[in-house]
Amino acid sequence: AQSVAQPEDQVNVAEGNPLTVKCTYSVSGNPYLFWYVQYPNRGLQFLLKYITGDNLVKGSYGFEAEFNKSQTSFHLKKPSALVSDSALYFCAVRDQGGKLIFGQGTELSVKP
Amino acid sequence: GAGVSQTPSNKVTEKGKYVELRCDPISGHTALYWYRQSLGQGPEFLIYFQGTGAADDSGLPNDRFFAVRPEGSVSTLKIQRTERGDSAVYLCASSSQGGREGTEAFFGQGTRLTVV
Repeated sequence: AQSVAQPEDQVNVAEGNPLTVKCTYSVSGNPYLFWYVQYPNRGLQFLLKYITGDNLVKGSYGFEAEFNKSQTSFHLKKPSALVSDSALYFCAVRDQGGKLIFGQGTELSVKP
Repeated sequence: GAGVSQTPSNKVTEKGKYVELRCDPISGHTALYWYRQSLGQGPEFLIYFQGTGAADDSGLPNDRFFAVRPEGSVSTLKIQRTERGDSAVYLCASSSQGGREGTEAFFGQGTRLTVV
């Protein structure tokens, strides 16, 4: 069965430093992977996705993610964190039936 | 409209009552999803529609939960005999191209349901 794991409940980063939010997945077949961000009392906003091709995917707000097939990972990255990046981040995989399966989320806190 | 719209944004109901939550997807999106999210948790899948039919309802927790999408656009999630454990934010999302493969889903703001 398809699944997603986000091993860190919380990530703390100083503003201006690079950030990484980790995600590993388990799928049968080709993986279709997504990252979403959720600000307090808001719905989920799409950040980026991996379908096929280049392993480094660029998305909204300067975020990017690196797909690694051998490690079954899809880590979210940003070269220089902003305080406004503080939010809840969710990794998701689309299963063969079409639904999205989400991880438990990682709370990113960026301090000035 | 421009995005996925969910109404109401907040609903407080008494234990044992019936509630309906509405979702208006992005125009033309054939795939529609319902999720439930508890505080500090990831979205939990409930049901997924392709057009008018439920393609996957394996996430509905029990027979008190039911969802419809009679014309392939607006969907209603119905909860009978509500329980305090049903309190959560209910999220709706829609996706183009039937939600296949690499198409992303766009989410509404959610309905916060509180059962007292």
